[in-house]
Amino acid sequence: GNSVTQMEGPVTLSEEAFLTINCTYTATGYPSLFWYVQYPGEGLQLLLKATKADDKGSNKGFEATYRKETTSFHLEKGSVQVSDSAVYFCALSYSNSGYALNFGKGTSLLVTP
Amino acid sequence: DTEVTQTPKHLVMGMTNKKSLKCEQHMGHRAMYWYKQKAKKPPELMFVYSYEKLSINESVPSRFSPECPNSSLLNLHLHALQPEDSALYLCASSPQANYGYTFGSGTRLTVV
Repeated sequence: GNSVTQMEGPVTLSEEAFLTINCTYTATGYPSLFWYVQYPGEGLQLLLKATKADDKGSNKGFEATYRKETTSFHLEKGSVQVSDSAVYFCALSYSNSGYALNFGKGTSLLVTP
Repeated sequence: DTEVTQTPKHLVMGMTNKKSLKCEQHMGHRAMYWYKQKAKKPPELMFVYSYEKLSINESVPSRFSPECPNSSLLNLHLHALQPEDSALYLCASSPQANYGYTFGSGTRLTVV
């Protein structure tokens, strides 16, 4: 079946450090890939997405590229801020499952001043 | 309007109570979803509605009963819940295409 594996956290970084959160997926066919962010006590917000191979999603300084050859969608940001502290979820969706999202376990990020 | 609104934000209920969670969106999205999220875990899919019809039920116990009265509203009726059902219940909607979801801020449910 379809599944997402992302690196275990928590990840602790100093402000202005470079961020990478790894995400790999298993799916038949060509899923769409997403990164969602959840701030404490809140719902999930779509951070970025990519719907086909080699697409790059980007938003608020975050980027991720859909790599079909390595079945990966790693999240990167060049310089993190304290306000980026949150839980980040990689997810995929597939047309034959009603576009229901299949989430990874989440990676908690803490950015310190 | 680009939001999914969930009410109430917090709910405490006894194991013999009946309550309902409500979700509303006015973005014209034709797919709506209920997810359950336990602390420090990813959301788990419960139900999918597509064009107001239930299309996916992820083997959810019958004490959870979804309802989609129209294209803008989604309810989750709760009855005889257990303490382990305490969680954050998230509603989401999406166009009937692969554009990603808009999530509500959730209802934090505590069963006592």
